[in-house]
Amino acid sequence: NAGVTQTPKFQVLKTGQSMTLQCAQDMNHEYMSWYRQDPGMGLRLIHYSVGAGITDQGEVPNGYNVSRSTTEDFPLRLLSAAPSQTSVYFCASRSSGSTDTQYFGPGTRLTVL
Amino acid sequence: AQSVTQLGSHVSVSEGALVLLRCNYSSSVPPYLFWYVQYPNQGLQLLLKYTSAATLVKGINGFEAEFKKSETSFHLTKPSAHMSDAAEYFCAVSVPRDMRFGAGTRLTVKP
Repeated sequence: NAGVTQTPKFQVLKTGQSMTLQCAQDMNHEYMSWYRQDPGMGLRLIHYSVGAGITDQGEVPNGYNVSRSTTEDFPLRLLSAAPSQTSVYFCASRSSGSTDTQYFGPGTRLTVL
Repeated sequence: AQSVTQLGSHVSVSEGALVLLRCNYSSSVPPYLFWYVQYPNQGLQLLLKYTSAATLVKGINGFEAEFKKSETSFHLTKPSAHMSDAAEYFCAVSVPRDMRFGAGTRLTVKP
């Protein structure tokens, strides 16, 4: 199993550009999430999905879109990048139970100039 | 709402010394609690989790944590620090459909 994979690992954007961060998991997990990590703030939830076709907003959803057309894939779209979106982005997945472990991808380091 | 608070953003210990990383939770229902570790430039890995089966939970790499309901705490300990333990540690609580993370504690291990 590859677990949770993310691409790209690094990305530099100019303000106003759009892009998609890719995330895939091969564990047949129902739940998938996107977090951003900023110094001193831990991980904050952007969007999450509880199954194909079902998504919802987290704590900091503004400026991001998601969709979930398959169980495996959960891309995150930045519509018009802003410097405030400079961060490290992590995708995660887990089975549906509250006691289940959440597995994380290696992260994407995004810089918006 | 369920949440966790990590006390101390930075902890420094000498190699061989006790490691104690503090986490307090807030929850109106019995919580499910987790500790994750993040090594530089990597994602988060599970160290251990509390799911109400036992109050003392043993994890990987010699870490353990004790759930104390009376203190609403879930502190992470390791009897003897190793240089390889230097990392950032996150406490988290499982909430419906998601998890909530603390701000993290960076552990430095001095030779």
